[in-house]
Amino acid sequence: DAGITQSPRHKVTETGTPVTLRCHQTENHRYMYWYRQDPGHGLRLIHYSYGVKDTDKGEVSDGYSVSRSKTEDFLLTLESATSSQTSVYFCAIRPGGTDYGYTFGSGTRLTVV
Amino acid sequence: AQSVAQPEDQVNVAEGNPLTVKCTYSVSGNPYLFWYVQYPNRGLQFLLKYITGDNLVKGSYGFEAEFNKSQTSFHLKKPSALVSDSALYFCAVRDNTGGFKTIFGAGTRLFVKA
Repeated sequence: DAGITQSPRHKVTETGTPVTLRCHQTENHRYMYWYRQDPGHGLRLIHYSYGVKDTDKGEVSDGYSVSRSKTEDFLLTLESATSSQTSVYFCAIRPGGTDYGYTFGSGTRLTVV
Repeated sequence: AQSVAQPEDQVNVAEGNPLTVKCTYSVSGNPYLFWYVQYPNRGLQFLLKYITGDNLVKGSYGFEAEFNKSQTSFHLKKPSALVSDSALYFCAVRDNTGGFKTIFGAGTRLFVKA
């Protein structure tokens, strides 16, 4: 999607290994979000950021950490991957103000074996 | 706590017929409501929003949504369905506390048959 890219698009990793997913935006938007999508659950918020070095937890943050050292990059790290973290991960961005919807990236399909 | 429910896992409709995808919500304060669509192997795309004003909101691709405060509903509608409308639809409500997090429903899969 225009202005937001996620990498990698696909990844297979082993249980217990650390994994980092990257979200990069060119829109200079203030807010960035990480969601995971699982069947029957819709999208669930993992972490979000409201500025450089300003982050907070979402509803399913256990086992995940994030960092935002630059406006354009928001990194999601699985500290020690587990099979329950097999999912599709989406990054989303939004400018400041309450009236705007999200722009989503194309997603990262992560498989933990 | 904010929440959103989509009571139908799947909706089937014939091409040319009107479609409705249902959504109910629970929020404290004024609701900010959204609909998104997801096509296979793609990210979600914003369709429309309700922030304030007219209860009937128009969005992309001929979709519209009706906000009903008394029934706490925000149903997605289209007068005449197309086969290309087949996708996964998500209703969402924005948490209007700090961070303005958006909470998504579980999604409704729409099948439009030719």
